[in-house]
Amino acid sequence: EVQLLESGGGLVQPGGSLRLSCAASGFTFSNYAIAWVRQAPGKGLEWVSAICGSGRCTYYADSVKGRFTISRDNSKNSVYVELDRLRVEDTATYYCAKGGGDLPSLFDYWGQGTPVIVSS
Amino acid sequence: AIRMTQSPSSFSASIGDRVTITCRASQRISTYLAWYQQKPGRAPKLLIYAASTLQSGVPSRFSGSGSGTEFTLSISHLQSEDFATYYCQQYYSYPPLTFGGGTKVEIK
Repeated sequence: EVQLLESGGGLVQPGGSLRLSCAASGFTFSNYAIAWVRQAPGKGLEWVSAICGSGRCTYYADSVKGRFTISRDNSKNSVYVELDRLRVEDTATYYCAKGGGDLPSLFDYWGQGTPVIVSS
Repeated sequence: AIRMTQSPSSFSASIGDRVTITCRASQRISTYLAWYQQKPGRAPKLLIYAASTLQSGVPSRFSGSGSGTEFTLSISHLQSEDFATYYCQQYYSYPPLTFGGGTKVEIK
């Protein structure tokens, strides 16, 4: 059974940092891209970042480029995203999602999400 | 970036109805389109990919069609568990991967 479990969310002040983790199981982890998708309260889905299965390629939305850094450790079946210089508008539930293949595409499994609240 | 536009943004329907949601892409995306269902407080769930291929375990009352720039998600015989918000997503070109704004299906 495929499972994705996010952790690391919380309350942080504007300008602060957080590190989100996504622990995966139930599939050959290094064969699949993993993405982060966020959802602000009462809003729609926004793709944030993705990393291919090997970890050699990373992608970012313009809204987070230069502030967020995605990485993965295939020996630990985990993906991480460092959130730096956080803004109020980064407040959202952050989901990690498994891609349909080695490169980012559709998302066939999702974690339950971890909330990030950026507020003073 | 490819912009995805869903219509309507919300509507009401009755159990047993057939409903259709439209998703339009700002440029041609072949059939690189997925549909997701999201219920309040839950993560999205993949329903359809490649515009018309049903994800394993998804009831056959869900169907998708379209190619190029116009796509539809249909639900025949709406069930109580189908009241949710539906999103389309293109994966033809990235970054960025882009979602539609969502369509909320409510009980009439």
